[in-house]
Amino acid sequence: DAGVIQSPRHEVTEMGQEVTLRCKPISGHNSLFWYRQTMMRGLELLIYFNNNVPIDDSGMPEDRFSAKMPNASFSTLKIQPSEPRDSAVYFCASTTGGAQAGTQYFGPGTRLTVL
Amino acid sequence: AQSVAQPEDQVNVAEGNPLTVKCTYSVSGNPYLFWYVQYPNRGLQFLLKYITGDNLVKGSYGFEAEFNKSQTSFHLKKPSALVSDSALYFCAVRDGGNTPLVFGKGTRLSVIA
Repeated sequence: DAGVIQSPRHEVTEMGQEVTLRCKPISGHNSLFWYRQTMMRGLELLIYFNNNVPIDDSGMPEDRFSAKMPNASFSTLKIQPSEPRDSAVYFCASTTGGAQAGTQYFGPGTRLTVL
Repeated sequence: AQSVAQPEDQVNVAEGNPLTVKCTYSVSGNPYLFWYVQYPNRGLQFLLKYITGDNLVKGSYGFEAEFNKSQTSFHLKKPSALVSDSALYFCAVRDGGNTPLVFGKGTRLSVIA
């Protein structure tokens, strides 16, 4: 299995621009999570989906952030407009229920720099 | 609400010595406990988990963790540390329901040759 795939791996943009991060979960997994990691705040859960449906987006910092999961194999996290304080590493993770009991598998992350 | 505490930001240990990375948790139901490791510029990698059964859980790279219900702890251990074990370690918990993992703040392990 290829694991969780994220693109791009690095993104440098200027303040005010729109940024779209992409994630392909592990095939067969039915839950998907978006996290943000910074030195100051550690690892933060932004939003998660079960069966393509957003369940909890209370971690999304502002209305500038939005996430979609149009099908079981693809999700996006969009920031519009971006700000320097959005600079962080964004991780996507997926899991399945049953015997896996919620073990999350993480992608390699997207390092976002907003200038 | 679920929570995880990793009381040490940094743990230093000499190569060949045993290592322990501490974790305590709080959940309302039965805990599902996890350890992950993060190497520089990489995503989190699953090490091991406790769901039920034996209190001593063995995982990848020679790591193990001991579940202690009375102390609500799930400390990560390894009998003999390697320099290559140097990384950031995260403890995580979820209850028996369909909830996401709650992660601790992480402990940076430094193994010195």
